[in-house]
Amino acid sequence: DSGVTQTPKHLITATGQRVTLRCSPRSGDLSVYWYQQSLDQGLQFLIQYYNGEERAKGNILERFSAQQFPDLHSELNLSSLELGDSALYFCASSGSGSRVTEAFFGQGTRLTVV
Amino acid sequence: AQSVTQLDSQVPVFEEAPVELRCNYSSSVSVYLFWYVQYPNQGLQLLLKYLSGSTLVKGINGFEAEFNKSQTSFHLRKPSVHISDTAEYFCAVRNGGTSYGKLTFGQGTILTVHP
Repeated sequence: DSGVTQTPKHLITATGQRVTLRCSPRSGDLSVYWYQQSLDQGLQFLIQYYNGEERAKGNILERFSAQQFPDLHSELNLSSLELGDSALYFCASSGSGSRVTEAFFGQGTRLTVV
Repeated sequence: AQSVTQLDSQVPVFEEAPVELRCNYSSSVSVYLFWYVQYPNQGLQLLLKYLSGSTLVKGINGFEAEFNKSQTSFHLRKPSVHISDTAEYFCAVRNGGTSYGKLTFGQGTILTVHP
């Protein structure tokens, strides 16, 4: 158990819809990262938050957005969903203060758009 | 920008044989290097990491990796594999010198261990 919790584990939705994926980081971790894993693109970094503020942005579509709340949990919002958005979405956390740590990953949310 | 190349997409091997999974990276700054393993329908689990110091790092499940700065490589090795090592393995790089930062992953290597 990595200590990172993602909900839901599976999500099936129709094209055009909007979904929210939730992530609770490890206790004490201030950084949250979102990654998308698909067969054709591999593991792609989407976005990073640190203590509530956006720190880095990767290949995140404009239809996608994220935020990190005061209790440090994070949500990834995906809207106007397309078939190509079907993927495994991972959340990871790291970065307790100045100590260098690796990123710990959740079990992922498998999104299927039909 | 950083990039990671895993030179083999699939590696089949027999049980108890040695294995090497190859990883090369590109970066203009100092880096931290990681190997993660992903079992079917699961998240990524850290196998080992190189942050600084000794270039030979040991991880869980008998895996080790060697950081070679001149060749910009971080190959993963295990002297004797088990059926349970069958999984997908990812090499990743991150900017060094910070306590946090995004990971850039390679495309993954599927290791299949045959009896």
